[in-house]
Amino acid sequence: DVKVTQSSRYLVKRTGEKVFLECVQDMDHENMFWYRQDPGLGLRLIYFSYDVKMKEKGDIPEGYSVSREKKERFSLILESASTNQTSMYLCASSLGQGANEKLFFGSGTQLSVL
Amino acid sequence: AQSVTQLGSHVSVSEGALVLLRCNYSSSVPPYLFWYVQYPNQGLQLLLKYTTGATLVKGINGFEAEFKKSETSFHLTKPSAHMSDAAEYFCAVSEGQAGTALIFGKGTTLSVSS
Repeated sequence: DVKVTQSSRYLVKRTGEKVFLECVQDMDHENMFWYRQDPGLGLRLIYFSYDVKMKEKGDIPEGYSVSREKKERFSLILESASTNQTSMYLCASSLGQGANEKLFFGSGTQLSVL
Repeated sequence: AQSVTQLGSHVSVSEGALVLLRCNYSSSVPPYLFWYVQYPNQGLQLLLKYTTGATLVKGINGFEAEFKKSETSFHLTKPSAHMSDAAEYFCAVSEGQAGTALIFGKGTTLSVSS
C-alpha cells in the first residue's frame, strides 16, 4: 500500500515563527498536495505540485510557500506563523497526471499557533 | 470555476436505516466526481469515484453514488447503515484536466445510533 507520511502529528509554534511541515510518499507518485482542514470549512487546497521543482497555487496560498526538491518529498512552509493558521494540515499524493487519479492522504498534522 | 455543495453538515440515522448524503457540483466541463471518508483520527480514504461510463458507481463498504448530469448531483447512498459507518464524508470534484487538483466540499458528519 502507498504510504504518505507526515513528519509530526501535533505541532505547537509561536506567532512569527517559521514553520516547516514535511510530507514524504513512498510510491513514486507524480502529484503531491497540501490541504488544510477546518471544522465547517472542509478541505481547502493550499498548494500542489505535479513535478519536481514545480508548484501551483491552490485556493488559499497566502501566507504559505512550498518546496519540492525531490519527487518523494513535499514541504509546506509558513514563513511567519499566525494564529489564523492554526489548523489540521493534510498532505496527499496521486500516481499520475490525470485528474481522475485517487488521492492517498497522510494522517495529518494538527498545528497550533500561539 | 468548479465548486461542491454538500447539503447538511450533520446527518443522523439509526442502525439499519438508509443513508443518503447529498452533493451538488458546479463545473464548466464534464466533471470527475469523488466521495472520500474520514474516520476519527485518520486521513481521508477514497470511497468511490465517477469518471466516465456507467452513472451508478459502487464503492467500498456497500456505498454507491449516482451521477445525474441534469441535476448536477452525485448523492451517496447505502441501503442499511452500520455503526462503523459513523465518520465524516467529503464530496469532491475535478475538471478532469491534467495538472489540476480536487476541490472538496465542506463535509457531512454521519452519526449512527443503535
